[in-house]
Amino acid sequence: GENVEQHPSTLSVQEGDSAVIKCTYSDSASNYFPWYKQELGKRPQLIIDIRSNVGEKKDQRIAVTLNKTAKHFSLHITETQPEDSAVYFCAASKRGPGGSARQLTFGSGTQLTVLP
Amino acid sequence: DGGITQSPKYLFRKEGQNVTLSCEQNLNHDAMYWYRQDPGQGLRLIYYSQIVNDFQKGDIAEGYSVSREKKESFPLTVTSAQKNPTAFYLCASSTIPGQGTKNIQYFGAGTRLSVL
Repeated sequence: GENVEQHPSTLSVQEGDSAVIKCTYSDSASNYFPWYKQELGKRPQLIIDIRSNVGEKKDQRIAVTLNKTAKHFSLHITETQPEDSAVYFCAASKRGPGGSARQLTFGSGTQLTVLP
Repeated sequence: DGGITQSPKYLFRKEGQNVTLSCEQNLNHDAMYWYRQDPGQGLRLIYYSQIVNDFQKGDIAEGYSVSREKKESFPLTVTSAQKNPTAFYLCASSTIPGQGTKNIQYFGAGTRLSVL
């Protein structure tokens, strides 16, 4: 099955600096890669995603890059703010057997702390 | 906020007891999922369902059971066979392939289960 590895497990940056979180996946059939943000005690929420036919996607201060050949993808947050502090999860997704509902395999998460 | 309701927020289980976690969605999604979240391990898939009266095992289904009698509801039972049930349980729902290209998963607020 799919295996997703995420690094680093913790990351501290100064406010205004950039943060980068990296993930690798094992299954070449995975074709959709979402990133979720989970604030303490709250539900995970999708912040950005990318499909395998695109190499990069940007949404304001957040960007995701994908290297299909190397099977890795990264989240980039620029001009970090204290409210960016949270746990970030990457995931890899493919359709289930017989084209059924997508299954997400998550990385282990990165605790990002933005220091004021 | 979300359209997915999980209850209760906190649940305590005694030894040898089965407990049921509720998940209801009003997003008209066909697919529903249950994940377990442990510290430092990300989210792991327990069961998923893409249609009423049908469900599939995920990566860690042992000790759990589900039912899908209604499109809106996907309850999870943690049985006495699950020897280490203490965790944060998250329910999610999404459209299925053919109803959109991404099938984004939206999460409920979670249930925290502890063993007495």
